[in-house]
Amino acid sequence: DTGVSQDPRHKITKRGQNVTFRCDPISEHNRLYWYRQTLGQGPEFLTYFQNEAQLEKSRLLSDRFSAERPKGSFSTLEIQRTEQGDSAMYLCASSPFRGTIYFGEGSWLTVV
Amino acid sequence: AQTVTQSQPEMSVQEAETVTLSCTYDTSESDYYLFWYKQPPSRQMILVIRQEAYKQQNATENRFSVNFQKAAKSFSLKISDSQLGDAAMYFCAYSIQGGSEKLVFGKGTKLTVNP
Repeated sequence: DTGVSQDPRHKITKRGQNVTFRCDPISEHNRLYWYRQTLGQGPEFLTYFQNEAQLEKSRLLSDRFSAERPKGSFSTLEIQRTEQGDSAMYLCASSPFRGTIYFGEGSWLTVV
Repeated sequence: AQTVTQSQPEMSVQEAETVTLSCTYDTSESDYYLFWYKQPPSRQMILVIRQEAYKQQNATENRFSVNFQKAAKSFSLKISDSQLGDAAMYFCAYSIQGGSEKLVFGKGTKLTVNP
């Protein structure tokens, strides 16, 4: 078990393009979270999965954002029609029920 | 709104000395957890210490300890015998017990350790 894995680590895209990030949580962790972090700020919650069910979404998650966790394993976060304001680091985290939350190394997105 | 405030954007400490990072939070909930996370330049967030709000005893983890003042909603982190590897961004966070238990973070304190 190597921890929470995220891919790609860095992505540069042109405004208007779609991007997808993947997160592989620690095996047997039924809880999975996505956060967004911009420079000089703490991470902000985007969405939460318990197994395959998406149970909570932040108002930060606009209609252009969608997240899935098929079969309760890996998760994807897709951003459609990217805007420059989407440039940030997208962090994935996982935990067992009521356990410590472990973070991945993050996926940096730059929209040019 | 439920918030976390870290009033010190940057702090510095001499190697082997002690430093305290401040954090206050605001929540109307009674059952919650408090955390300090460390984010080194490699950017992976690492849990430093965790405190359950119902516990009066302050949590300790080796050189790291907290001063939890529930009535004042204060949760400071003390790092003793500071080491060069302690240099990082430190984030204070809390989560409400039950539901998603998502973390709500402060803006962070950048800690520099001088040799």
